[in-house]
Amino acid sequence: QQQVKQSPQSLIVQKGGISIINCAYENTAFDYFPWYQQFPGKGPALLIAIRPDVSEKKEGRFTISFNKSAKQFSLHIMDSQPGDSATYFCAASGSFSGNTPLVFGKGTRLSVIA
Amino acid sequence: DTGVSQDPRHKITKRGQNVTFRCDPISEHNRLYWYRQTLGQGPEFLTYFQNEAQLEKSRLLSDRFSAERPKGSFSTLEIQHTEQGDSAMYLCASSRLAQAYNEQFFGPGTRLTVL
Repeated sequence: QQQVKQSPQSLIVQKGGISIINCAYENTAFDYFPWYQQFPGKGPALLIAIRPDVSEKKEGRFTISFNKSAKQFSLHIMDSQPGDSATYFCAASGSFSGNTPLVFGKGTRLSVIA
Repeated sequence: DTGVSQDPRHKITKRGQNVTFRCDPISEHNRLYWYRQTLGQGPEFLTYFQNEAQLEKSRLLSDRFSAERPKGSFSTLEIQHTEQGDSAMYLCASSRLAQAYNEQFFGPGTRLTVL
């Protein structure tokens, strides 16, 4: 049972364009939604995260949009750069105060081309 | 370096051998997690500790797997009688229980190849 569904599997974006990755979850007990960035041979690095009491969070070129009623959230990367080329994972967990294990999506491989 | 560290970074073993991996979490992080990541997939939870207590084990953690966190500091993950299906990246993450967000910080992983 896949609790977090991520799409697309891969994405090619022109330099300067907007990259959009979507995730949907099933478990209404989830209340913490982070995005991780992973480069080949490295561990995932926390990029940005959101709680369900806000609909949007922005940090630099990265924005999370959250739709609680639809149980969906997305990552937007503005002004995409070749250095953003990596695999991105959305995740969710059940209690932001309880530090429960994360459930990850399957990942999106982003390629930013010049 | 104050991040999560893992050792070794790579391990090649023959089927049937035992292997042990080590994880050193960020100092003062109460929680320590083990995940497994196979090619083209997201990390999957295996088990986690709060201090020295192992609080939860996933159904992915078969009897051949055992994890410890003596004294609530570093942790070890042992796989006995390895199988080819155990080939994966084993990731360790840590977090501080008292923080407002469930921010888990990952190490670089140990890539296991079972021949």
